[in-house]
Amino acid sequence: ETGVTQSPTHLIKTRGQQVTLRCSSQSGHNTVSWYQQALGQGPQFIFQYYREEENGRGNFPPRFSGLQFPNYSSELNVNALELDDSALYLCASSLRDIQETQYFGPGTRLLVL
Amino acid sequence: RKEVEQDPGPFNVPEGATVAFNCTYSNSASQSFFWYRQDCRKEPKLLMSVYSSGNEDGRFTAQLNRASQYISLLIRDSKLSDSATYLCVVNDLNTDKLIFGTGTRLQVFP
Repeated sequence: ETGVTQSPTHLIKTRGQQVTLRCSSQSGHNTVSWYQQALGQGPQFIFQYYREEENGRGNFPPRFSGLQFPNYSSELNVNALELDDSALYLCASSLRDIQETQYFGPGTRLLVL
Repeated sequence: RKEVEQDPGPFNVPEGATVAFNCTYSNSASQSFFWYRQDCRKEPKLLMSVYSSGNEDGRFTAQLNRASQYISLLIRDSKLSDSATYLCVVNDLNTDKLIFGTGTRLQVFP
């Protein structure tokens, strides 16, 4: 086990709703990255947080936003949900200076109807 | 052109076979390279890093060719438990993000 936890494990929402997903990083890790994985695709980078600041963003619209807290846990918020937002949302924690070693949580599976 | 390209497979091989996966990447500034394994409906897990000199971990061998921007993974003596999707991953230090390929699915049969 990586020590990275995510909640909830599954979620069903309807178009237009808002959702908040949560991630607790591995003990001692100060960086959290979020990824979206659609069915049959590899994970796509959404954004990364380091010490409560956004530190890099992928090609996702502003309705995808996030937060990191002083204990390094993180939230991903998605507003105005669309059907294409249905995916597995993964968070990964790491140490800022060892970016390549990212440990993934089990993911939250989101279905938008 | 995708930043990281892989053959999606599936590769169906018998137990004991040797199988090789290839991957190409488009950004010559990429600095770090990895293979991750992802089981069905699970999160990706780091299988191994890929170094310019090539590296081996048991039955798994990874190679990097920077000139051709090409990464490979060789699995010898395949086991049933090797059945999974293998993701080629590149870390671009300029943007601090991991870029994943779509994955190559391996199915090992008895």
